[in-house]
Amino acid sequence: GAGVSQSPRYKVTKRGQDVALRCDPISGHVSLYWYRQALGQGPEFLTYFNYEAQQDKSGLPNDRFSAERPEGSISTLTIQRTEQRDSAMYRCASSPGTAIYGYTFGSGTRLTVV
Amino acid sequence: AQTVTQSQPEMSVQEAETVTLSCTYDTSESDYYLFWYKQPPSRQMILVIRQEAYKQQNATENRFSVNFQKAAKSFSLKISDSQLGDAAMYFCAYAGGTSYGKLTFGQGTILTVHP
Repeated sequence: GAGVSQSPRYKVTKRGQDVALRCDPISGHVSLYWYRQALGQGPEFLTYFNYEAQQDKSGLPNDRFSAERPEGSISTLTIQRTEQRDSAMYRCASSPGTAIYGYTFGSGTRLTVV
Repeated sequence: AQTVTQSQPEMSVQEAETVTLSCTYDTSESDYYLFWYKQPPSRQMILVIRQEAYKQQNATENRFSVNFQKAAKSFSLKISDSQLGDAAMYFCAYAGGTSYGKLTFGQGTILTVHP
């Protein structure tokens, strides 16, 4: 597509539920990134993929968080057994290659855990 | 680990004036890239400017320019002829070395533009 598309834009879930956040990168972009951004803070790296391979998942906070990109295009970030501290903006970005080109960010998914 | 520090939580400028936003970083890597991103109230993240560390020439994009001081590990953003649309949160970011897949962001600086 023309830009990075994320869905849903807003998600409210009850504590303990699982959520899946979707990212559709710019067509042809090799690399896809997930970040989390708390209000008033800079984005915090979670994980990234080149094609379908997860290259770095060092930023995932714990084993409740996982991500996949099975066909090298669309990616899903899954949070199991959500907790209130998971509430944040989750941003996806893509780039033609590595981060040195700069990213194109999506509009984000605002997750609220109640 | 690399760190990025923006020491100015807030800055303000009069329309048509010039403002400089500060950023310092810490790294042991010799090859890296630095960025400034703009986040307006819509909360989009927009790439403003990019600097390659091996280039001595400071990057420029229209009214936006950087002052890159590699030895001092400083990377400031200058906005000339400020416009109301420049009001936003600005983030400095770093990517380099073995972590080219990851951007490390600073805490951000809120820029207010007064008419």
